[in-house]
Amino acid sequence: EVQLVESGGGLVKPGGSLRLSCAASGFTFSSYSMNWVRQAPGKGLEWVSSISSSSSYIYYADSVKGRFTISRDNAKNSLYLQMNSLRAEDTAVYYCARDSMDWWGQGTLVTVSS
Amino acid sequence: DVVMTQSPLSLPVTLGQPASISCRSSQSLVYSDGNTYLNWFQQRPGQSPRRLIYKVSNRDSGVPDRFSGSGSGTDFTLKISRVEAEDVGVYYCMQGTHWPPSFTFGPGTKVDIK
Repeated sequence: EVQLVESGGGLVKPGGSLRLSCAASGFTFSSYSMNWVRQAPGKGLEWVSSISSSSSYIYYADSVKGRFTISRDNAKNSLYLQMNSLRAEDTAVYYCARDSMDWWGQGTLVTVSS
Repeated sequence: DVVMTQSPLSLPVTLGQPASISCRSSQSLVYSDGNTYLNWFQQRPGQSPRRLIYKVSNRDSGVPDRFSGSGSGTDFTLKISRVEAEDVGVYYCMQGTHWPPSFTFGPGTKVDIK
């Protein structure tokens, strides 16, 4: 069965950095594009970033462009999100999701606060 | 950018009765390949989102047949033929036609029991 397990969330001060990971199993990871989607507390879903299967194509929401970097390691079946210059408004649960969002992880909470 | 709207934003329903959620996009969601990339997601309380419907009307594996999707162009509908207690949660539509540059979610419709 497909499994996506996020990790790396936590409490960070404004301006700080954090690296999220998503470990994938149960499918051929290298054949699928992957996404990060976030959800601020009590709010809706917001697409953050996408990466193609071979990392050739990468896209970001305007709200994170220049601060976040998505990457993947197909040999390790892992997806990453490097988050720099974090702001209070980046506080959210971050989900990794496969391809057209057909499978989602359980999410990892990022809290940006002094 | 494409804007997705949903109505109603809150939907109290009676068990066993039908329910209907509308989703509208600011631009046509018909892609150049002829497909319409409009998905529906369910997020139960405390859980990750789950895709229910893809490309307007195709149910994902394991989704009960009381859920159905319809629509075309800019207007779409998710229907639940007979609401059950496990259907409580927030429902989101999402367009993938205009990706890249971005996936866009609707604001969500909260379904609860009267």
